[in-house]
Amino acid sequence: QVQLVQSGAEVKKPGASVKVSCKASGYTFPTYGISWVRQAPGQGLEWMGWISTYNGNTHYAQKLQGRVTMTTDTSTSTVSMELTSLRSDDTAVYYCARDPLSGWPFDYWGQGTLVTVSS
Amino acid sequence: DIQMTQSPSSLSASVGDRVTITCRASQGIRNDLGWYQEKPGKAPKRLIYAASSLQSGVPSRFSGSGSGTEFTLTISSLQPEDFATYYCLQHNSYPRTFGQGTKVEIK
Repeated sequence: QVQLVQSGAEVKKPGASVKVSCKASGYTFPTYGISWVRQAPGQGLEWMGWISTYNGNTHYAQKLQGRVTMTTDTSTSTVSMELTSLRSDDTAVYYCARDPLSGWPFDYWGQGTLVTVSS
Repeated sequence: DIQMTQSPSSLSASVGDRVTITCRASQGIRNDLGWYQEKPGKAPKRLIYAASSLQSGVPSRFSGSGSGTEFTLTISSLQPEDFATYYCLQHNSYPRTFGQGTKVEIK
């Protein structure tokens, strides 16, 4: 069965970086890109960016350009999202979700990773 | 960027009520839209894809309609487990954009 399993919760200080991973199983990894979505406490869902697991091409949300980097490792079927220069308003639950280049995306989601930014 | 305007932001309803949520896109997105249900502490769950196709395993009381710029999610008879927050998402282009969400509460 399709599964996206994310790494565990993180607590970081302002200015630090965090890297969250998303390991895929149960399907052919390069056939689905991965999007990252986050949800701050009491807020809505925010799309952060997308990566092709086939060739590593990316699309990032404008507001995160320069702070976010998404990478893919086909040998381990894992996508990672790194966010730098963390601020308190980056405190959120971060999700990965399947997002193919064509077709109907966000059918499977990871379980979510809580990232807390606090001094 | 395509803006998704979702309404209402919240509603109160009773078990058995018919509930309708609307999303309007700032430009045409064909049928590149999905609807998602979110409950506290859980990942969002896809209910509808391609604007009107029911996700496998989702009860038939959920339905979606629309194309272009106007989309609707309808719950024909609200059940206790349906009290949640609902989001639309357009995937016609990047950046993907969500509606602001609709919180469905118990009356």
